Formats: sequence, C-alpha cells, structure tokens
Amino acid sequence: DAGVIQSPRHEVTEMGQEVTLRCKPISGHDYLFWYRQTMMRGLELLIYFNNNVPIDDSGMPEDRFSAKMPNASFSTLKIQPSEPRDSAVYFCASSPRYGGTGSKNIQYFGAGTRLSVL
Amino acid sequence: GESVGLHLPTLSVQEGDNSIINCAYSNSASDYFIWYKQESGKGPQFIIDIRSNMDKRQGQRVTVLLNKTVKHLSLQIAATQPGDSAVYFCAEIGVSSGTYKYIFGTGTRLKVLA
Repeated sequence: DAGVIQSPRHEVTEMGQEVTLRCKPISGHDYLFWYRQTMMRGLELLIYFNNNVPIDDSGMPEDRFSAKMPNASFSTLKIQPSEPRDSAVYFCASSPRYGGTGSKNIQYFGAGTRLSVL
Repeated sequence: GESVGLHLPTLSVQEGDNSIINCAYSNSASDYFIWYKQESGKGPQFIIDIRSNMDKRQGQRVTVLLNKTVKHLSLQIAATQPGDSAVYFCAEIGVSSGTYKYIFGTGTRLKVLA
C-alpha cells in the first residue's frame, strides 16, 4: 500500500483565496483524520470521519474551514477565505479503528501539506 | 506570523549512546499509548505501542516503559544512530470526559551528534 497520500505538498496563496487540501487514506481504513501542526500549538485534531461521515468537528477553528469525504478513498479540507494565521502544515491520517486499545488504533499519517498564506 | 512558539525540549546524544525520551500524560483513564517519530518534512510515523496492562514493551532497538502511578511514559533507543534524529511524540488514547480521545504530546527533539 502506498500509505496516506496528500496533495499538494506545498501551497502558497494570498489572503482571501480559497485553498483545497486533498487526502487519499489507506484502503480499508474506516477512519480519517485531519490535523494541523504549528509551532504555536503543536499537533491539533481538526475533524475526523468514520465511514465517510463526519463524527467530531469540534477542532475546526471557524466557519472558514470545511471538510468533506464524498467516498472512502477521498477527502478534502477547504479554507475559504484563507488568512495568514492559517499558515501551517496540515496532515491527514487514517486508521482501521478509533476506540479501545490495540494496533488497529494506530494512525498512519500522510506527508502533509505545507500551507503558506501571504 | 508567529513570534512565540512551543519550546520543544531537545535531547542531544552522541552516536552509539542510548537515548531516553520522556513523556508525562494527563489522563489516568488512558489505556493505550503510542510513540511516533517525525522526521523533517514528513508526517509522524508509528514506532511502538503499549497497553496500560503492561509496564514494558520491546521492539527493535526501542523499548517503551509505562509507569501508571506517576502517569509517565518513556522511550528508550539503544545505540542511537544519525537516522534517529527527529521529533518524538507520545500519544495517549482513552476516554476523557465521556469522549474517546487520542492526545498527542508536544514532542521532544532528538539530535544525534556524530
């Protein structure tokens, strides 16, 4: 398996523009997670999906952020309009399970998208 | 931009020496723990895990120790190599305030000196 695939790897945009980040999870994983990593706040969970359904979006910073998962192999995180404070590395991760103990709870991360909003 | 950031603790170790990276966790109900390694420009990668009914688990060159009494986790790396240079995160997994949570620590940077 190729692992979790994210695109683009780098995105530079101007304030006010729409940004769309993409993720392909590992096949067979029922859970997909979007994280944001900054020097200020470390790794933060934004939202997660179970079987394509958003379960917890309490980490989404504000209405400018939205995430979708139209099918089991694709998810997007959209920021509209983008602001300089959104600059961060955004990671997508997937896992077979989310709950209990054991190796099926291990989350596998993509390489991330480094977003710079000027 | 950001003028203040997380101060990542840094551990500098001579190549060939053993490394010990520590992590204090917050939730006494956490029952599963994972160590991740994040190399520059990459996402976190799984290293080793341990359940709360264990106090030690060994992998290849790595050992995780769990002390539930003081809510402390450590990762020991034997014969540290240059490729071990990275940021290491612990993650605690369990129910908190009625919700299942997967909480990452702030990380420790390991620098391997030649």
